[in-house]
Amino acid sequence: GAVVSQHPSRVICKSGTSVKIECRSLDFQATTMFWYRQFPKKSLMLMATSNEGSKATYEQGVEKDKFLINHASLTLSTLTVTSAHPEDSSFYICSASPPSPYNEQFFGPGTRLTVL
Amino acid sequence: GENVEQHPSTLSVQEGDSAVIKCTYSDSASNYFPWYKQELGKRPQLIIDIRSNVGEKKDQRIAVTLNKTAKHFSLHITETQPEDSAVYFCAAVAYSGYSTLTFGKGTMLLVSP
Repeated sequence: GAVVSQHPSRVICKSGTSVKIECRSLDFQATTMFWYRQFPKKSLMLMATSNEGSKATYEQGVEKDKFLINHASLTLSTLTVTSAHPEDSSFYICSASPPSPYNEQFFGPGTRLTVL
Repeated sequence: GENVEQHPSTLSVQEGDSAVIKCTYSDSASNYFPWYKQELGKRPQLIIDIRSNVGEKKDQRIAVTLNKTAKHFSLHITETQPEDSAVYFCAAVAYSGYSTLTFGKGTMLLVSP
């Protein structure tokens, strides 16, 4: 199956700093990537849809100026959490979708963000 | 938009029993229904999926059924084993240029030896 990597797997930062998370599709080109946030014992909540070469589409309630998404190539999307605060601490997971009519999504291993 | 309801939220069974998790969806345009298994701190893993042109699909101990008229689909796990313990998520997808997954809230399955 398709492989999606995510880096870093875990990050601890101080309040007010920015954190960048990378999502890469390793063996396929992903025209679309998705970013999810998952709080403990909760479901995955879609934050935004990232399309290569165009602006990301954010879900309602997600601040686009706080969660910056860049999809610069067909294999890389980045999520930057700007001026992180403790309430941003969560498990961030990306997924990538190869171009086909029925697009299975393949998930990255996730990034555990802890903001002190 | 799509809304996916999933029940039960927790399910405890004895090893060897069957487990059934049910989901309903709201958007009649949804045409792809994957099921994911997620272990603590790990990524969701696709375990089975079904498309809207079939009513049932089976893969060893796992099966999924789809009732398009009633807009519900179910996951069936037979002969459960302790390693089946995890959180299971259903999802629905309505393809519209790209496929946005709408997840259910998840079911924590605990299989006791």
